[in-house]
Amino acid sequence: EDQVTQSPEALRLQEGESSSLNCSYTVSGLRGLFWYRQDPGKGPEFLFTLYSAGEEKEKERLKATLTKKESFLHITAPKPEDSATYLCAVQPKTDSWGKLQFGAGTQVVVTP
Amino acid sequence: GAGVSQSPSNKVTEKGKDVELRCDPISGHTALYWYRQSLGQGLEFLIYFQGNSAPDKSGLPSDRFSAERTGESVSTLTIQRTQQEDSAVYLCASSLVSSRWRTSGLEYYNEQFFGPGTRLTVL
Repeated sequence: EDQVTQSPEALRLQEGESSSLNCSYTVSGLRGLFWYRQDPGKGPEFLFTLYSAGEEKEKERLKATLTKKESFLHITAPKPEDSATYLCAVQPKTDSWGKLQFGAGTQVVVTP
Repeated sequence: GAGVSQSPSNKVTEKGKDVELRCDPISGHTALYWYRQSLGQGLEFLIYFQGNSAPDKSGLPSDRFSAERTGESVSTLTIQRTQQEDSAVYLCASSLVSSRWRTSGLEYYNEQFFGPGTRLTVL
């Protein structure tokens, strides 16, 4: 059975304190792995898509990496505006390719 | 340009009543998705429309749930005889399907852009 597990569930950081979020997945063939950011009361905002092991993508203070079993979202020198819930989703090759399976998310709070 | 819009933003209904939730996708996006997000839970896939293909309804939790889409435009999610466990935020997303060849093979691109959601409360 396909599964997506995110850890930790919650993360509290001081401004400037870098950290990483983990997304581990078990799927029978990965078509793509997606990272989203979600602010309270809003829909998820697309961040990155990763397609193959070894791939990396960066955007401002965020960097996403992918291996065959997990993905990491690295937050470098975070600022309070980086506070949000970060969601990971996978698109298995066995599913219709519009269907994403989401993890439960990691809630990140960055304090000044 | 305009993003995905959903209406209403909030809906409170009584158990047993029917509700309709509306989604306006980004213009030109061929694919449309409905998800459900319950308190403290991840997003749960409900249904996916792509062009004129038959929709993927594999995520609909029961036959009380149905959805329609008019061409590549508006979609409506209908929940009949609502139950308290239907209370959740219902999110709609749309995407532009594309693909290109890379050295690793054919890659499909369908970054999904989400609307703000409709918060449904069933009393």
